[in-house]
Amino acid sequence: EAQVTQNPRYLITVTGKKLTVTCSQNMNHEYMSWYRQDPGLGLRQIYYSMNVEVTDKGDVPEGYKVSRKEKRNFPLILESPSPNQTSLYFCASSKDVSLSSYNEQFFGPGTRLTVL
Amino acid sequence: AQSVTQLGSHVSVSEGALVLLRCNYSSSVPPYLFWYVQYPNQGLQLLLKYTTGATLVKGINGFEAEFKKSETSFHLTKPSAHMSDAAEYFCAVSGSARQLTFGSGTQLTVLP
Repeated sequence: EAQVTQNPRYLITVTGKKLTVTCSQNMNHEYMSWYRQDPGLGLRQIYYSMNVEVTDKGDVPEGYKVSRKEKRNFPLILESPSPNQTSLYFCASSKDVSLSSYNEQFFGPGTRLTVL
Repeated sequence: AQSVTQLGSHVSVSEGALVLLRCNYSSSVPPYLFWYVQYPNQGLQLLLKYTTGATLVKGINGFEAEFKKSETSFHLTKPSAHMSDAAEYFCAVSGSARQLTFGSGTQLTVLP
């Protein structure tokens, strides 16, 4: 089954304790992205990756890191989490992205993170 | 720069009634426009998209949206609401096809 998976689905942690949220897709997609969803704010893009070893900042990158060493994986790293990073996080992927076409983004099920 | 405004964070309709969810956008280049739906405890699913061509776009589950450039709008409609339509709906714009900007979402409640 074609899908985007995220782990863990739920995470409660404390301020300053480094954590990683994994994201994996099995569709051979080139483009991957991380979003956070907060009430009343919709989804905001954190980072995105056009291909392996190519990453770029989205709208709210502060406090986050990403890496794209393999095509299928795009982990989100919080080196020193803070309470304002408590949110619902979504990973997404799409076949490719160009200026002349648009390919649908497929979203993972989400990771609910609480930072105490 | 691009942005999306969804009018009404909560909309309630009776089962069988018309659904109208409003979306206005701004974009410095010709936009790509989307509606996504999010069911409880799930990720987002694409309902429909406008890229080029016909301005009336049909999507899944009987939804459609019309791109009106002069009004910078992309409202989502469905002639007859069903209980299963209850969800949160997000309008999104992409001016470069590389970055999606989402609206704040509209929670649709369908009353029996």
